[in-house]
Amino acid sequence: SQQGEEDPQALSIQEGENATMNCSYKTSINNLQWYRQNSGRGLVHLILIRSNEREKHSGRLRVTLDTSKKSSSLLITASRAADTASYFCATDEDSNYQLIWGAGTKLIIKP
Amino acid sequence: ETGVTQTPRHLVMGMTNKKSLKCEQHLGHNAMYWYKQSAKKPLELMFVYSLEERVENNSVPSRFSPECPNSSHLFLHLHTLQPEDSALYLCASSQDRTGGYEQYFGPGTRLTVT
Repeated sequence: SQQGEEDPQALSIQEGENATMNCSYKTSINNLQWYRQNSGRGLVHLILIRSNEREKHSGRLRVTLDTSKKSSSLLITASRAADTASYFCATDEDSNYQLIWGAGTKLIIKP
Repeated sequence: ETGVTQTPRHLVMGMTNKKSLKCEQHLGHNAMYWYKQSAKKPLELMFVYSLEERVENNSVPSRFSPECPNSSHLFLHLHTLQPEDSALYLCASSQDRTGGYEQYFGPGTRLTVT
């Protein structure tokens, strides 16, 4: 079953602008993770945020989690061409430790 | 590099062939995973191994057969596949199989079934 659903499905912005992607989920979770995938290669972990956390930062990345709305957002500030990739959120169901993945947001940074 | 390697990177096979995908992790992790990624679909978990024991099998057809001989190696044996099995197959590992640990992915095997 699909847990995380990213929004938008695709996003195209100019280099230097900020990019925001959203993830919604259905059941209660312990953790939510964001990953990046470049052009059909393996996924790379970006940030893990726990259910008792509201915000986490890593370099130009900022992740927020709103458990009351069952949603998370990933903000990339001052985007670069190298940020062009697909971004996925993954959640663990409360009673099952398996990660459930969304279909991803495809981000294109135009030079 | 993530510490997880996969071979081969590309594979073309006929429906009557038998082939195997190999994954190796150099991270000392206890859990290993096989995922299937098809275009415009969420990542599908196929198999999970924890300490070499299979703990999850998400109703995967029997033409896919996993093998985990030790905590560092994972195989996916393929036989009599169908064209709809064409996809990117990703291997991953994590310190533990709970969702509180990040997963490290290999580069994937692009499989085409003809």
